[in-house]
Amino acid sequence: QLQLQESGPGLVKPSETLSLTCTVSGGSISSSYYWGWIRQPPGKGLEWIGSMYYSGTTNYNPSLKSRVTISVDTSKTRFSLQLSSVTAADTAVYYCATPRTWGQGTLVSVSS
Amino acid sequence: DIQMTQSPSSLSASVGDRVTITCQASQDISDYLNWYQQKPGKAPKLLIYDASNLETGVPSRFSGSRSGTDFTFTISSLQPEDLATYYCQHYDNLPQLAFGGGTKVDIK
Repeated sequence: QLQLQESGPGLVKPSETLSLTCTVSGGSISSSYYWGWIRQPPGKGLEWIGSMYYSGTTNYNPSLKSRVTISVDTSKTRFSLQLSSVTAADTAVYYCATPRTWGQGTLVSVSS
Repeated sequence: DIQMTQSPSSLSASVGDRVTITCQASQDISDYLNWYQQKPGKAPKLLIYDASNLETGVPSRFSGSRSGTDFTFTISSLQPEDLATYYCQHYDNLPQLAFGGGTKVDIK
């Protein structure tokens, strides 16, 4: 059964780059329609960050597009998120996900 | 960009009640809509995919339907374990996702 696990720093300083990795186990993300990143600020709803389609196409939320990069390794066992020039508004639980499988989420706080 | 308008934002119902949540798309999205359940402190869980298909292992009291750009999620008989926030989610082949604002379901 496909499992996803986020990893990365839990604290990032303002203006720096947030970097997270999603490790895939128990299956292949290639069998999923898409995979990507979603975040949830404390007490708020879900916000799509960006996704990769099974064909390799990548797309980003227009509100974040200038600061986001999503990449996948050639074996498709890990995919990554980079979000540059972070501010306190980027504090959130970050999830990696496919339609059916979500990681447990990781809280990233932006603070000096 | 497609916008998903979900209502109500919260509701309170008794065990055994029928609960209905709606999601309206800003344009035609065909059946490209999923419904997720998020319990406190947990990741969202897929309940309904492609508007009306019950995910494997999900209780049959959950259902979804579509009428044009309007989508309905129903819990036929609310159970205590259904305390959660429910989200609709549109997806397409760009791939682009769009979430509704969520509906928090409380038990009276």
